Amino acid sequence: DAGITQSPRYKITETGRQVTLMCHQTWSHSYMFWYRQDLGHGLRLIYYSAAADITDKGEVPDGYVVSRSKTENFPLTLESATRSQTSVYFCASTEGGGHGYTFGSGTRLTVV
Amino acid sequence: EDKVVQSPLSLVVHEGDTVTLNCSYEVTNFRSLLWYKQEKKAPTFLFMLTSSGIEKKSGRLSSILDKKELFSILNITATQTGDSAVYLCALTQGGSEKLVFGKGTKLTVNP
Repeated sequence: DAGITQSPRYKITETGRQVTLMCHQTWSHSYMFWYRQDLGHGLRLIYYSAAADITDKGEVPDGYVVSRSKTENFPLTLESATRSQTSVYFCASTEGGGHGYTFGSGTRLTVV
Repeated sequence: EDKVVQSPLSLVVHEGDTVTLNCSYEVTNFRSLLWYKQEKKAPTFLFMLTSSGIEKKSGRLSSILDKKELFSILNITATQTGDSAVYLCALTQGGSEKLVFGKGTKLTVNP
């Protein structure tokens, strides 16, 4: 199916574990983003990527790692999960020009 | 620091009411302002505004941008329970594709 797909939809993990959230888009959009959404904070940018092998930090990058070896995939890794990383994570993509952003359905991550 | 401020943070109305949601901003090199609707899942696109004074309209929803006073409003007329959602305002800047979001306005429409 065309679109942007996130997996898993739900994840519970323990403090200290490494977790990877996946994001896959089928449009070959150049730009991809990871946001986290928390009550009282709205959507905050974690990392973004302008193209394969080009990534940059957003507003809240600490504790996260990204890679983009292929245009269509943009995984987000929590190297050692903490309770403060309990959140809903959204992946998004766009071809650029300040419009045409599409969001994935989100991953609800709980760190216990 | 770039800033997007939405007001009110929450709003409860009755079906049939008209609501106005506000988004003010401070950002360098403004390019576009976008409105999204979020209902317990991914944000869905409503409008993109780039020029002052030009109203964008879709059914009962409309939006306008004032680049001089640095704000935008989203109007919803004859509200329905299906309009209950969080409405998000976001900006882009020239030279960057990042979206900068406000905290959102939670709208509840009661029957």
